[in-house]
Amino acid sequence: SYVLAQPPSVSVAPGQTARITCGGNRIGGKSVHWYQQKPGQAPVLVVYDDSDRPSGIPERFSGSHSGNTATLIISRVDAGDEADYYCHLWDSGSDHPWVFGGGTKLSVL
Amino acid sequence: QVQLVQSGGGVVQPGTSLRLSCAASGFTFGSYAMHWVRQAPGKGLEWVAVIGSDGSEKSYVDSVKGRFTISRDRYQLTVFLEMNRLTAADTAMYYCARMITPYDAFDVWGQGTLVSVSS
Repeated sequence: SYVLAQPPSVSVAPGQTARITCGGNRIGGKSVHWYQQKPGQAPVLVVYDDSDRPSGIPERFSGSHSGNTATLIISRVDAGDEADYYCHLWDSGSDHPWVFGGGTKLSVL
Repeated sequence: QVQLVQSGGGVVQPGTSLRLSCAASGFTFGSYAMHWVRQAPGKGLEWVAVIGSDGSEKSYVDSVKGRFTISRDRYQLTVFLEMNRLTAADTAMYYCARMITPYDAFDVWGQGTLVSVSS
């Protein structure tokens, strides 16, 4: 089955830019989506189709996609961004086509 | 207001059954495929099951095939997850979520419902 690899943790100082990566084979041909999950809450979509933002999500959240890696970029990080972040895509060739990365804990120092 | 409101769940013994519900409002329920995603304590997200917009297509993760059944009621605007022969490995927070096409994002999620399987 398809595997998405995320770093377990990323730390960043307030005001800086956080980059969370998501690696997968042939990921360049797939749409990647990103979710934010705070403790005790349901996931919230923050970026879809690699780089688009749902309404209500700050412009500080963006995404990029290059080679075998997708990246969630959070600029001007503040304490409220501390959360787990998951990437997700659909792999049509897999028995389990809806795949999530293992998640990345973003810590704001 | 677009929302998914979940109910069901609880603490059950191994080998027993449970049914989860997810009631939709604020959008055209029949236009969306509906999914269940679970999260074991301290772990990441795991896709569990999907039912197509008209209910004709269903798919499951291997670990629940033959034990879980997803269904939907177009009049009650509700999707269900019937879980049988539960084991400790099924202990998780269960979320329902909607999606229009398979490659789309899960743009709306339910609040989650906890299933705990313990003797």
